[in-house]
Amino acid sequence: GENVEQHPSTLSVQEGDSAVIKCTYSDSASNYFPWYKQELGKRPQLIIDIRSNVGEKKDQRIAVTLNKTAKHFSLHITETQPEDSAVYFCAVYTGGGNKLTFGTGTQLKVEL
Amino acid sequence: DTAVSQTPKYLVTQMGNDKSIKCEQNLGHDTMYWYKQDSKKFLKIMFSYNNKELIINETVPNRFSPKSPDKAHLNLHINSLELGDSAVYFCASSQDPGGKLFFGSGTQLSVL
Repeated sequence: GENVEQHPSTLSVQEGDSAVIKCTYSDSASNYFPWYKQELGKRPQLIIDIRSNVGEKKDQRIAVTLNKTAKHFSLHITETQPEDSAVYFCAVYTGGGNKLTFGTGTQLKVEL
Repeated sequence: DTAVSQTPKYLVTQMGNDKSIKCEQNLGHDTMYWYKQDSKKFLKIMFSYNNKELIINETVPNRFSPKSPDKAHLNLHINSLELGDSAVYFCASSQDPGGKLFFGSGTQLSVL
């Protein structure tokens, strides 16, 4: 089955700095790559996603880049704010398995 | 007007008991899921139903049995609860397999 690795597991940045979280996957047939944010005690919520026919997607301060050849994709958050503090999960969808496989999560802490 | 609602929010029970968690979505989605989130925050899929048909059944003990009476509902029944079942269980739905997931607020299950 699909194997998704996510790094780092924890990330601490100063407010205003950028944060980058990276995920790698194993199945070259994977074609959908969403990112979910989970605040403490809350449900995961989709923040951005990308499909395999696109290399980059931006939404205000967040962006996702995809390198299909290397089988990795990254979440970029610029001008971080305290409310960005949360656990971020990458995920990979492989149509053959009808399954979204999540990464292990990154605890992001934005310090004042 | 919660899109995906699950009950109860908290469930505290003794080992060996049987319990159920209910989930309902009002988004008109065809696909529903159960995810388990352990103490390390790992999100692992347990089951997925598409149009009331089971399409994903991960390696989950037989003590866990999902039931989908219609497309808007997916319940989870757990027999003979064990200490290791303690976790947060999230229901989710999507328009189709691999689509954007909408999560319920989670059920914190504590087995004593």
